[in-house]
This record gives sequence, structure tokens and C-alpha cells, in this order.
Amino acid sequence: DSGVTQTPKHLITATGQRVTLRCSPRSGDLSVYWYQQSLDQGLQFLIQYYNGEERAKGNILERFSAQQFPDLHSELNLSSLELGDSALYFCASSVATGGGGGGETQYFGPGTRLLVL
Amino acid sequence: AQSVTQLGSHVSVSEGALVLLRCNYSSSVPPYLFWYVQYPNQGLQLLLKYTSAATLVKGINGFEAEFKKSETSFHLTKPSAHMSDAAEYFCAVTIRQGKIIFGKGTRLHILP
Repeated sequence: DSGVTQTPKHLITATGQRVTLRCSPRSGDLSVYWYQQSLDQGLQFLIQYYNGEERAKGNILERFSAQQFPDLHSELNLSSLELGDSALYFCASSVATGGGGGGETQYFGPGTRLLVL
Repeated sequence: AQSVTQLGSHVSVSEGALVLLRCNYSSSVPPYLFWYVQYPNQGLQLLLKYTSAATLVKGINGFEAEFKKSETSFHLTKPSAHMSDAAEYFCAVTIRQGKIIFGKGTRLHILP
């Protein structure tokens, strides 16, 4: 158990809908990262938040957005869902200070499996 | 830009045999390198990481990896495979916080 929790574990929805995935980081971790894992694209970094602020952006679509709340939990919002958005979405957290570095360990949650029908 | 190439999407070894999973990276500056393992229906778990302290890095479960700058490689090895090592393994690179690039993954099969 990494200490990172994600809800829900599974989500089934229809095209065009909007969903929210939730992540609680390990106690004391200030950084939260979101990843998408699919068969064709592999594991892709989406976005990082540090202490409530966006820190780094990867291949995140404009239909997707995220935020980190004062209690440090994070939510990933996916809207206007398409069939191709079906994937496993991971959240990770680290003790990263938010400046420089890069060698910090990221602890991954169990993921949310999203199926868009 | 950084990139990671994992050679072989599937690797099969016999139980007790040497495990070698290959990873080559591309980076314009000294990188941080990681190996993660993903067991079925689970998240990723860090096996080991290279952060320039030592070129031979020892990780959990008997795995180790050697950073070879001249070959731009960070191959993962384990002297003797166990059935419990069957999983998917990901090599990853980053040069700064946040933007970590993962390889496509190598699925390791252990033959009895």
C-alpha cells in the first residue's frame, strides 16, 4: 500500500459526459501528479500540482482539467468524454519541494479505470 | 527532449535464470532514471532510481541497474528470477520535477 488513495476504482460512463476522479496523496506529500495509461499511448504524464498550484503540464487535453485543494487532495475532471478517453488514470504523490530537483520518488495510487461507452 | 526506449515489449525467462530488461534514454542534460514495476491490477511501485550518487543502483526484490553514460543505458537485472517477478516493468527519465517520461513497458514472463 503506497498511501495514495484514488476513488472511484471503476467508472463507466457514456460519450459526451463529464466525470471527476479524486486522489488523496500520502500524508505530508505536497505534490500530486496525474497520469493516463492506455494500450496505445502507454503511460503519459498529464499534470502536476504542488501545494495547490499547477507546476508542470504534459499531454493533457483541453477537455481535461485538474485542481489541488487546500487539504492537498486533487481532482481530475474529464469532460466531453470520447471513446478514446477510456484508460487507467493514476495519481501519484511525492515530497517534492516544487523547485528544481527531479530525483524524488513518486508513490502511485491503485488507479481509476474509466470506460467510456 | 528526453525519451526512453525499452527494447522488447515481452521478455520470457526461466525461473532461476538471469533477468535482463533493457532501457536506453536520450537526454540533453544529466538525467534522473527510474525503474517502476506494475503488478496486475495495481499501481506502479518504484524498484530503484539513479540520481547521480552511484552508477550501480540496488533496488528492492533483488533488482539492480547500472547507469552507463557512454551507452546511454540503464538496464535492469536480477541474478535469479522468481515466479513472483512476473509483472510489467517501466523505465522512466526526468530532468526536473514533474515531467517524467515513461517507456512503453516490458512485460516479464517467468517460465517454470
